[in-house]
Amino acid sequence: AQTVTQSQPEMSVQEAETVTLSCTYDTSESDYYLFWYKQPPSRQMILVIRQEAYKQQNATENRFSVNFQKAAKSFSLKISDSQLGDAAMYFCAYRPGSARQLTFGSGTQLTVLP
Amino acid sequence: KAGVTQTPRYLIKTRGQQVTLSCSPISGHRSVSWYQQTPGQGLQFLFEYFSETQRNKGNFPGRFSGRQFSNSRSEMNVSTLELGDSALYLCASSFRMGNEKLFFGSGTQLSVL
Repeated sequence: AQTVTQSQPEMSVQEAETVTLSCTYDTSESDYYLFWYKQPPSRQMILVIRQEAYKQQNATENRFSVNFQKAAKSFSLKISDSQLGDAAMYFCAYRPGSARQLTFGSGTQLTVLP
Repeated sequence: KAGVTQTPRYLIKTRGQQVTLSCSPISGHRSVSWYQQTPGQGLQFLFEYFSETQRNKGNFPGRFSGRQFSNSRSEMNVSTLELGDSALYLCASSFRMGNEKLFFGSGTQLSVL
Protein backbone atom coordinates (compact mmCIF):
# COMPACT_ATOMS: atom_id res chain seq x y z
CA ALA A 1 0.00 0.00 0.00
CA GLN A 2 1.14 3.48 -0.76
CA THR A 3 1.86 5.86 2.09
CA VAL A 4 2.62 9.54 2.21
CA THR A 5 4.46 11.02 5.20
CA GLN A 6 4.71 14.64 6.21
CA SER A 7 6.96 14.81 9.25
CA GLN A 8 6.42 18.49 10.04
CA PRO A 9 3.01 19.08 11.65
CA GLU A 10 3.72 22.81 11.91
CA MET A 11 6.06 25.26 10.27
CA SER A 12 6.44 29.01 10.42
CA VAL A 13 8.16 31.51 8.16
CA GLN A 14 8.70 35.23 8.14
CA GLU A 15 6.98 37.19 5.43
CA ALA A 16 9.19 37.47 2.30
CA GLU A 17 11.38 34.57 3.44
CA THR A 18 11.64 31.06 1.97
CA VAL A 19 10.31 27.89 3.56
CA THR A 20 10.51 24.24 2.58
CA LEU A 21 7.89 21.65 3.47
CA SER A 22 8.91 18.00 3.45
CA CYS A 23 7.13 14.96 2.09
CA THR A 24 8.19 11.38 1.58
CA TYR A 25 6.21 8.59 0.02
CA ASP A 26 6.41 4.88 -0.40
CA THR A 27 5.41 3.09 -3.58
CA SER A 28 6.44 0.25 -5.84
CA GLU A 29 4.84 1.90 -8.86
CA SER A 30 6.92 3.44 -11.60
CA ASP A 31 4.14 5.61 -13.02
CA TYR A 32 2.61 8.08 -10.60
CA TYR A 33 1.82 11.70 -9.86
CA LEU A 34 2.63 13.83 -6.85
CA PHE A 35 0.82 16.92 -5.70
CA TRP A 36 0.85 19.67 -3.14
CA TYR A 37 -2.53 21.00 -2.07
CA LYS A 38 -3.23 24.02 0.09
CA GLN A 39 -6.21 24.17 2.45
CA PRO A 40 -6.88 27.65 3.86
CA PRO A 41 -9.48 28.31 6.58
CA SER A 42 -12.15 28.34 3.86
CA ARG A 43 -11.54 24.54 3.77
CA GLN A 44 -11.33 24.36 -0.01
CA MET A 45 -8.43 22.26 -1.21
CA ILE A 46 -6.46 24.18 -3.80
CA LEU A 47 -3.92 22.54 -6.09
CA VAL A 48 -0.58 24.29 -5.70
CA ILE A 49 1.69 22.20 -7.89
CA ARG A 50 1.95 18.76 -9.43
CA GLN A 51 4.79 16.55 -10.64
CA GLU A 52 4.73 13.62 -13.01
CA ALA A 53 7.12 10.91 -11.87
CA TYR A 54 8.51 10.34 -15.36
CA LYS A 55 9.65 13.94 -15.60
CA GLN A 56 13.07 14.58 -14.16
CA GLN A 57 12.63 18.34 -14.22
CA ASN A 58 11.25 19.79 -11.02
CA ALA A 59 7.88 21.52 -11.39
CA THR A 60 7.61 25.25 -10.76
CA GLU A 61 4.59 27.49 -10.40
CA ASN A 62 5.52 31.11 -9.76
CA ARG A 63 6.81 31.26 -6.15
CA PHE A 64 6.23 27.55 -5.60
CA SER A 65 8.69 24.88 -6.66
CA VAL A 66 9.38 21.29 -5.76
CA ASN A 67 12.48 19.22 -5.18
CA PHE A 68 11.57 15.79 -6.53
CA GLN A 69 14.05 13.08 -5.62
CA LYS A 70 12.63 9.93 -7.16
CA ALA A 71 15.21 7.49 -5.86
CA ALA A 72 14.83 8.83 -2.34
CA LYS A 73 11.04 9.03 -2.73
CA SER A 74 11.10 12.60 -1.54
CA PHE A 75 8.93 15.47 -2.73
CA SER A 76 9.47 18.76 -0.92
CA LEU A 77 7.74 22.07 -1.58
CA LYS A 78 9.63 25.34 -1.52
CA ILE A 79 7.73 28.58 -1.11
CA SER A 80 9.76 31.66 -1.98
CA ASP A 81 8.95 35.23 -0.96
CA SER A 82 6.31 33.97 1.48
CA GLN A 83 3.14 36.03 1.72
CA LEU A 84 0.52 36.26 4.44
CA GLY A 85 -1.93 34.59 2.08
CA ASP A 86 0.26 31.50 1.97
CA ALA A 87 -0.76 30.64 5.53
CA ALA A 88 -2.71 27.40 5.34
CA MET A 89 -2.53 23.66 5.84
CA TYR A 90 -0.45 22.04 3.10
CA PHE A 91 -1.03 18.47 2.04
CA CYS A 92 1.23 16.29 -0.02
CA ALA A 93 -0.64 13.74 -2.14
CA TYR A 94 0.15 10.78 -4.35
CA ARG A 95 -1.73 9.06 -7.14
CA PRO A 96 -0.46 6.04 -9.04
CA GLY A 97 -0.97 6.07 -12.77
CA SER A 98 -3.07 2.93 -12.53
CA ALA A 99 -5.53 4.24 -9.95
CA ARG A 100 -7.67 7.26 -9.57
CA GLN A 101 -7.80 8.13 -5.89
CA LEU A 102 -5.38 10.37 -4.09
CA THR A 103 -3.49 9.30 -0.98
CA PHE A 104 -2.80 12.28 1.25
CA GLY A 105 -0.22 12.98 3.91
CA SER A 106 -1.23 14.25 7.33
CA GLY A 107 -0.55 17.87 6.48
CA THR A 108 1.73 20.70 7.57
CA GLN A 109 0.22 23.82 9.10
CA LEU A 110 2.15 26.81 7.75
CA THR A 111 2.09 30.10 9.63
CA VAL A 112 3.41 33.24 7.96
CA LEU A 113 4.66 35.85 10.42
CA PRO A 114 4.44 39.54 9.48
CA LYS B 1 -16.94 29.55 -14.41
CA ALA B 2 -18.45 28.48 -11.10
CA GLY B 3 -16.41 26.17 -8.94
CA VAL B 4 -17.43 22.98 -7.21
CA THR B 5 -20.45 23.66 -5.03
CA GLN B 6 -21.26 21.60 -1.97
CA THR B 7 -24.40 21.91 0.07
CA PRO B 8 -25.08 22.28 2.86
CA ARG B 9 -21.95 23.83 4.39
CA TYR B 10 -22.79 22.61 7.88
CA LEU B 11 -24.99 19.83 9.14
CA ILE B 12 -25.82 18.54 12.60
CA LYS B 13 -27.37 15.11 13.02
CA THR B 14 -27.87 12.62 15.81
CA ARG B 15 -26.71 9.04 15.97
CA GLY B 16 -28.83 6.63 13.97
CA GLN B 17 -30.08 9.22 11.52
CA GLN B 18 -29.17 9.33 7.88
CA VAL B 19 -27.81 12.23 5.87
CA THR B 20 -27.48 13.23 2.24
CA LEU B 21 -24.80 15.60 0.98
CA SER B 22 -24.83 17.24 -2.43
CA CYS B 23 -22.08 18.19 -4.84
CA SER B 24 -22.37 20.13 -8.09
CA PRO B 25 -19.20 19.83 -10.19
CA ILE B 26 -17.68 22.44 -12.42
CA SER B 27 -19.63 22.74 -15.64
CA GLY B 28 -18.36 20.19 -18.14
CA HIS B 29 -16.71 17.99 -15.53
CA ARG B 30 -18.00 14.45 -15.56
CA SER B 31 -16.03 12.83 -12.77
CA VAL B 32 -16.89 13.42 -9.11
CA SER B 33 -14.90 12.06 -6.18
CA TRP B 34 -15.66 12.19 -2.47
CA TYR B 35 -13.20 12.36 0.41
CA GLN B 36 -13.66 12.29 4.17
CA GLN B 37 -11.41 14.49 6.31
CA THR B 38 -11.06 13.93 10.06
CA PRO B 39 -8.41 15.07 12.54
CA GLY B 40 -7.57 11.47 13.39
CA GLN B 41 -7.61 9.73 10.02
CA GLY B 42 -6.81 12.65 7.76
CA LEU B 43 -8.11 12.65 4.21
CA GLN B 44 -9.50 9.37 2.95
CA PHE B 45 -10.99 8.49 -0.41
CA LEU B 46 -14.62 7.43 -0.37
CA PHE B 47 -15.63 6.87 -3.99
CA GLU B 48 -15.54 8.19 -7.53
CA TYR B 49 -18.37 8.50 -10.02
CA PHE B 50 -18.21 8.94 -13.75
CA SER B 51 -21.10 8.87 -16.19
CA GLU B 52 -23.53 7.96 -13.41
CA THR B 53 -21.53 4.85 -12.45
CA GLN B 54 -19.38 4.25 -9.41
CA ARG B 55 -15.91 3.55 -10.76
CA ASN B 56 -13.84 3.26 -7.64
CA LYS B 57 -14.52 2.82 -3.94
CA GLY B 58 -12.44 3.33 -0.84
CA ASN B 59 -12.40 1.24 2.30
CA PHE B 60 -15.60 2.43 3.95
CA PRO B 61 -18.58 0.41 5.22
CA GLY B 62 -21.71 -0.02 3.16
CA ARG B 63 -23.44 2.70 5.19
CA PHE B 64 -21.64 5.11 2.88
CA SER B 65 -23.13 5.26 -0.57
CA GLY B 66 -23.46 7.69 -3.40
CA ARG B 67 -24.87 8.31 -6.80
CA GLN B 68 -24.38 10.56 -9.77
CA PHE B 69 -27.08 12.07 -11.94
CA SER B 70 -27.13 12.64 -15.68
CA ASN B 71 -26.08 16.27 -15.17
CA SER B 72 -23.00 15.00 -13.26
CA ARG B 73 -24.26 16.28 -9.92
CA SER B 74 -23.54 13.82 -7.16
CA GLU B 75 -24.94 12.97 -3.78
CA MET B 76 -23.50 10.89 -1.01
CA ASN B 77 -25.56 9.27 1.68
CA VAL B 78 -24.59 8.01 5.10
CA SER B 79 -27.12 5.85 6.87
CA THR B 80 -27.29 4.94 10.56
CA LEU B 81 -24.91 7.70 11.54
CA GLU B 82 -22.23 7.04 14.14
CA LEU B 83 -20.27 9.56 16.20
CA GLY B 84 -17.16 8.68 14.18
CA ASP B 85 -18.81 9.89 11.00
CA SER B 86 -18.33 13.47 12.16
CA ALA B 87 -16.03 14.91 9.53
CA LEU B 88 -15.54 17.34 6.71
CA TYR B 89 -16.76 15.74 3.49
CA LEU B 90 -15.04 17.08 0.41
CA CYS B 91 -16.16 16.67 -3.14
CA ALA B 92 -13.83 17.05 -6.10
CA SER B 93 -14.54 17.16 -9.80
CA SER B 94 -12.44 16.64 -12.88
CA PHE B 95 -13.00 16.72 -16.60
CA ARG B 96 -12.44 13.03 -17.06
CA MET B 97 -11.85 9.99 -14.94
CA GLY B 98 -8.31 9.66 -13.71
CA ASN B 99 -7.50 13.25 -14.56
CA GLU B 100 -4.97 14.45 -12.06
CA LYS B 101 -6.38 17.96 -12.00
CA LEU B 102 -8.96 17.71 -9.28
CA PHE B 103 -10.93 20.77 -8.25
CA PHE B 104 -12.33 20.64 -4.73
CA GLY B 105 -15.33 22.25 -3.13
CA SER B 106 -15.32 23.81 0.33
CA GLY B 107 -16.89 20.75 1.89
CA THR B 108 -19.78 19.90 4.16
CA GLN B 109 -18.96 19.82 7.86
CA LEU B 110 -21.04 17.04 9.41
CA SER B 111 -21.38 16.81 13.17
CA VAL B 112 -22.99 13.74 14.66
CA LEU B 113 -24.23 14.16 18.25
